[in-house]
Amino acid sequence: ETGVTQTPRHLVMGMTNKKSLKCEQHLGHNAMYWYKQSAKKPLELMFVYNFKEQTENNSVPSRFSPECPNSSHLFLHLHTLQPEDSALYLCASATYSGSNEQFFGPGTRLTVL
Amino acid sequence: AQTVTQSQPEMSVQEAETVTLSCTYDTSESDYYLFWYKQPPSRQMILVIRQEAYKQQNATENRFSVNFQKAAKSFSLKISDSQLGDAAMYFCAYWFIQGAQKLVFGQGTRLTINP
Repeated sequence: ETGVTQTPRHLVMGMTNKKSLKCEQHLGHNAMYWYKQSAKKPLELMFVYNFKEQTENNSVPSRFSPECPNSSHLFLHLHTLQPEDSALYLCASATYSGSNEQFFGPGTRLTVL
Repeated sequence: AQTVTQSQPEMSVQEAETVTLSCTYDTSESDYYLFWYKQPPSRQMILVIRQEAYKQQNATENRFSVNFQKAAKSFSLKISDSQLGDAAMYFCAYWFIQGAQKLVFGQGTRLTINP
């Protein structure tokens, strides 16, 4: 396992539920990312945070709400999701300089019923 | 906008043989990085190899090497002496140094190793 952890690893929720995904990195990085990985589609970048500031919102619907309280933690708050939001959600971290080698967490497998 | 294309959705190779995964990209920039990431089944994505565009020498990491053709915008990954543990999804990715701090990924190639 790398220094990026994600919880929970699996999540099943109804369309009216509110849940949160958590990501934590222990690598001293200052950039954190949320990606969505759906079957047969490229990884989709959702959000980028550099030094706790959101620098990228890749046209993500408002039912996904990110939060980055510090450089080590990143959350993705979910509410009123749709079945098509079912996917693997990956968190990554990197140093905001140099080669931008990103270190990924194991992902949260989300199923929306 | 930069794009990355992996034209082989699936590849298979016999154990101990060599396999090459293809990747092409589109950019107007001259200074950037290219990566190959590996995602084993139900396991974390990890970096396999990295290439800096300003370096002409192809990167090598043990059994993994790349063929970087900058003018052709091609970045293939060669895996020598394939092992069962190499079975995974492989993603090619591009990062522009001066631009937004984000990777652009290809669609991925699923590699199967036949014993």
